[in-house]
Amino acid sequence: DQQVKQNSPSLSVQEGRISILNCDYTNSMFDYFLWYKKYPAEGPTFLISISSIKDKNEDGRFTVFLNKSAKHLSLHIVPSQPGDSAVYFCAASAWGTSGSRLTFGEGTQLTVNP
Amino acid sequence: NAGVTQTPKFQVLKTGQSMTLQCAQDMNHEYMSWYRQDPGMGLRLIHYSVGAGITDQGEVPNGYNVSRSTTEDFPLRLLSAAPSQTSVYFCASSYSGSGYQETQYFGPGTRLLVL
Repeated sequence: DQQVKQNSPSLSVQEGRISILNCDYTNSMFDYFLWYKKYPAEGPTFLISISSIKDKNEDGRFTVFLNKSAKHLSLHIVPSQPGDSAVYFCAASAWGTSGSRLTFGEGTQLTVNP
Repeated sequence: NAGVTQTPKFQVLKTGQSMTLQCAQDMNHEYMSWYRQDPGMGLRLIHYSVGAGITDQGEVPNGYNVSRSTTEDFPLRLLSAAPSQTSVYFCASSYSGSGYQETQYFGPGTRLLVL
């Protein structure tokens, strides 16, 4: 049972345009959500997070939106740059479990074309 | 700080062989964990530790063993390798498993091929 799903394995956008990566979850106990970015042959690195008490969190070019009623979150990258080309993982955790036990989605390969 | 380091980077095993994947961190983090990444499945938690001497199972623990004798090190042992364990393995650490807003830092990964 995949509790966190990223339905788009890949996304291709032009440099300067907006990239929107989507993530859905099924476990209503999840209350903290994160996005990780992964380059080839490297480990994932933390990008941005959001608590369930918020519906938006912004950090520079990156914004995460959370729609709790739809159990959906999205990552917006504006403007997209070629260096943003990587695999993006959505992850979730639930209070009351060991706090850093993350459940990951399958990942989305983002390609930003010059 | 070196952060989270993993050795080896790449390993080929024959079915039935055993080996230990090494993980070390120099950030004095209490929480450490092991994930495996498989195509189309994201990262799945194998085992984790909330401190020296304390370990627990994650989502996919079968076929793996861990111990945590020091804060710095968290080795992952494959007891009898199987082709299904062919994967990329990531070690991660954070300050504490109880602070769920804390960032986990990942190592560069170990690519394992079991023939």
